[in-house]
Amino acid sequence: GDSVTQTEGLVTLTEGLPVMLNCTYQSTYSPFLFWYVQHLNEAPKLLLKSFTDNKRPEHQGFHATLHKSSSSFHLQKSSAQLSDSALYYCALSDNNAGAKLTFGGGTRLTVRP
Amino acid sequence: EAGVTQSPRYAVLQEGQAVSFWCDPISGHDTLYWYQQPRDQGPQLLVYFRDEAVIDNSQLPSDRFSAVRPKGTNSTLKIQSAKQGDTATYLCASSSDWGYEQYFGPGTRLTVL
Repeated sequence: GDSVTQTEGLVTLTEGLPVMLNCTYQSTYSPFLFWYVQHLNEAPKLLLKSFTDNKRPEHQGFHATLHKSSSSFHLQKSSAQLSDSALYYCALSDNNAGAKLTFGGGTRLTVRP
Repeated sequence: EAGVTQSPRYAVLQEGQAVSFWCDPISGHDTLYWYQQPRDQGPQLLVYFRDEAVIDNSQLPSDRFSAVRPKGTNSTLKIQSAKQGDTATYLCASSSDWGYEQYFGPGTRLTVL
């Protein structure tokens, strides 16, 4: 079956430093990959998706590149902000519209001043 | 455009009691998902519908959980005889038939004492 692995449960860094959150996956097919962000007591919100008409997906300064050879979709940002503190989930779905999502365990990012 | 709405937002039960959760998806979205999110874990799919039909309920504990979407719009998730292990946030999400992104509601936080 499909699975998503996020190796870091907790990441703490100082404002202004670069962010990289790891995501690897296993899937029988060629899945679509997503990053969701969840702030405290809120619902998960879509941050990035792997398919964007040949452009690198980017939103709010975050970007991610799908590497099929290594089955990875790491999330990166050049300079962390205090407001980036949240839970980040990597997820995958089959490349069919309306397919279910399989989530990773999540990474809690804390950005300190 | 209104987002996914859920009610109630919070529920506290004793073991053995029953509870129902209600979800209203984004207008025009024909696919509706129910996820269970235990504390500090990623969401895990319980069941999902396309219109009124169940597509996948393989992860729904059928002895105590049930879900319906009778008219292909709103949905209800019910737990009969709740257990402490059911303590989690229950998230509803929807997507359109031609789309891949899922949009989440605010969730219902359930505590079973």
